[in-house]
This record gives sequence, structure tokens and C-alpha cells, in this order.
Amino acid sequence: DVKVTQSSRYLVKRTGEKVFLECVQDMDHENMFWYRQDPGLGLRLIYFSYDVKMKEKGDIPEGYSVSREKKERFSLILESASTNQTSMYLCASSSVGIADRAFFGQGTRLTVV
Amino acid sequence: GQQLNQSPQSMFIQEGEDVSMNCTSSSIFNTWLWYKQEPGEGPVLLIALYKAGELTSNGRLTAQFGITRKDSFLNISASIPSDVGIYFCAGPTQGGSEKLVFGKGTKLTVNP
Repeated sequence: DVKVTQSSRYLVKRTGEKVFLECVQDMDHENMFWYRQDPGLGLRLIYFSYDVKMKEKGDIPEGYSVSREKKERFSLILESASTNQTSMYLCASSSVGIADRAFFGQGTRLTVV
Repeated sequence: GQQLNQSPQSMFIQEGEDVSMNCTSSSIFNTWLWYKQEPGEGPVLLIALYKAGELTSNGRLTAQFGITRKDSFLNISASIPSDVGIYFCAGPTQGGSEKLVFGKGTKLTVNP
């Protein structure tokens, strides 16, 4: 069974902390994505990676960075967490040229206090 | 950028009722996707549509790719409580088909 696994289901962090959200996929997919989901706003793309060490900004990259040192792992980094980054974060992966076969992780609900 | 306008935003229905939701865009899409997100989980692909006019079913779910390629709809027949969730339409972005753009979702509540 194919899997995208996010390291935490729930996280509570303090304002100003550096936060790492980890995502691992076992499908040998080239593409990996980080989305943010807020009520009424749908899924918004934060960053996209199409290969190891390659990344591309999405629609809302401000306040975030990413790291992809290995093909299977894609990390989202909040350099200095703020309360407006409280949200559900979703990781996804897909093969090159098959964007419609994206698989999602279960999500990480991050609360910044 | 491209946007997908999804309606309605939310629906409250009784078990057994049929449901219809749609998605429109000012841009042409060559693929339309419908995802379902159950509470506490990530979205899961329900139906993928690849040709204008295409009508595809998945159990009680039926989706159609509009002739103009600017819209799609999803119908659920004889709803049951486990249909609860958020339904998203999505499509590959222009000039970068590795990425998907999503609608804002339709939140479905089914009363037993």
C-alpha cells in the first residue's frame, strides 16, 4: 500500500520557535509538495520540490522554507513560528507527469501559541 | 493565477438524499480531479476526468467533465453518513502541470 507519512498528527509550538514538519513517501516519487489548509480557503501550495535539492515556491512561501536532501523526504521549516501559521499542513507526492495521481499524507495540525 | 470556484461552500442534507456540487474556472483545464477529505485525514482521489464531455462513475459518485473544459460537477446519489467530509475539485496548473490547483472545497454534512 502506497504511503505518504507525516511525522506528527498534532503539534503545539511557541511563537518564535523553529519548527520542522517532516514528510516521507515510499513510492519513489520525484515530486513532493507542502500545502496549507485553512477553513474556507482550501489547499494552498507553499513549496514544491521536483527533485533532490530542487525546490520551487508555491503561492504562499513567505515565512517558510523547505529541505529535500533525500528523494523520499521533504521537510517544511518555519524559521520563527507565528500565530498566523496555525493551520493544517498537508504533504503530497506524485510521479513526474502524473500530477493527477498525487497522494496525500494524513496532515499535521500545527498550533502556535 | 488560475482559480477554481467551487460551490456550494457547505451542504447539510438528510441521509438518502442526492447531492450535487460543481466547480468552474475562467481557464481551460485538460484534467479535472475530485478529492474527498474525511475528518482528520488527507485528501483522497475519488475520480479523475481526462476528456471534455466525459462522464465517470465510482460507486454512488458520478462526475462529468464540462464540454467547455471550464467546469465539472460531482453528484452523490443516496447519501449515507460516511459521505461526510470536504470535497475538493482540482486540476493541473497551466505551464506547470506537475502542480495542482484546488478549489476551496464543499463541506458535506449528512444527518442520519
